[in-house]
This record gives sequence, C-alpha cells and structure tokens, in this order.
Amino acid sequence: DTGVSQNPRHKITKRGQNVTFRCDPISEHNRLYWYRQTLGQGPEFLTYFQNEAQLEKSRLLSDRFSAERPKGSFSTLEIQRTEQGDSAMYLCASSNLGTNNEQFFGPGTRLTVL
Amino acid sequence: AQKVTQAQTEISVVEKEDVTLDCVYETRDTTYYLFWYKQPPSGELVFLIRRNSFDEQNEISGRYSWNFQKSTSSFNFTITASQVVDSAVYFCALSENAGNNRKLIWGLGTSLAVNP
Repeated sequence: DTGVSQNPRHKITKRGQNVTFRCDPISEHNRLYWYRQTLGQGPEFLTYFQNEAQLEKSRLLSDRFSAERPKGSFSTLEIQRTEQGDSAMYLCASSNLGTNNEQFFGPGTRLTVL
Repeated sequence: AQKVTQAQTEISVVEKEDVTLDCVYETRDTTYYLFWYKQPPSGELVFLIRRNSFDEQNEISGRYSWNFQKSTSSFNFTITASQVVDSAVYFCALSENAGNNRKLIWGLGTSLAVNP
C-alpha cells in the first residue's frame, strides 16, 4: 500500500486556463475528500465522495469547480477559468468506514495561478 | 456550529523544553471525534491521534501526550523534551458523527519552532 497519491505535485497556470488534478486513494478506502489550504490557514473542506457518489459539496466550491470519482477509485478535481484566488494547496484524503474517521492525506497539489 | 480554535499562532522553544499546544472546540453533537495532525515543511499532513468523545482517557505515545477535557471542550497536545524534528505546523481538527460525511473542521494551526 503506497498511501494516497496526488498528481501533479505542482501546477503553474495562467489566469483563465483550466486545470485538472488527480487523486488516487488508498485502494480499499471508500471515502474520498478534497480540501483546500491557503498559506497560514487550516485546510477547508471542498467535497466528499462515498464510492462514486458525490454526497456533499462546500459552498466554497463555485460553479467553476467540478469533481468526479467515476469508478469509486481515483478522483479528479477540475477548475475551469482559473483565477488568482484559486492559488492554494489542494489536498486529497481517503478513509474507510472501519477507520473511525481517520483520514489519510496525500502530499497535495500546489496550484499557482499567474 | 462546529469550530476549532488554536489560539497560539506560533511557538518557539529551545530543544529539550516541554511544550503544550492548545485546542478548544465547539460542537452541538454529543458524539464526535478529535484529531491532531502534523504538517512538516514538506507539506504532507501526518495523522497523530484520534480521540472519540466518549473516551476521556489521556494518552501518551512516546514524547507525545494528549489531554482531553470535555468539561472545558479542550484537547491539548504536549510534546515532552522537544526536538528540532518536531518543528512543524500542528493542526487540531473536529469531526462530527452525524450523517455520512465525516469531514474535518480544522483550526488555523500552531507553528512550532524548536531551536537547537
């Protein structure tokens, strides 16, 4: 088990471009979370999947953001028409029903929007 | 509303000192979970401990110990004989038990610098 992985680790893009991030959770974990963390802040919840179903989205997730988990395994987070305010670390975590809410985090994708 | 407060923004200590990081939480749930995570300069969040609301026993793991007090809604974290490798940002987080989504509500973190 290699833990949660995220790709890419860093992404620099120009304002207005679309970006997509990928998260591969721990293989037997059915719950997957996306968080966003800006400098000097704690992570903020964005969205949550149980298997392939997206069960909750934060109000932070504007219409420009979309997340999928098509087969209940890996997940993608897409940001359309990026803005400078989207610059942040995007964190993915996974957990399982049997782990009492213990969420395992990936290394994150750091997005810089120029 | 759920909320986690870490009043200490930054702490600086000299190696081998003991240091306590404070965490105060708010929740309306009677069943909830509390967590501490470590975020070293590399950025990856590392799980340290989980405590459920029915278990008020203090826990010790090596140089780390945690003091959970429901009466004061606090879950403080103490590092004994700190080391330079303990330098990191430490986050306290809360997860409620209601519903399927066990999202974590985070404090702002405490940045700990352990100086040689």
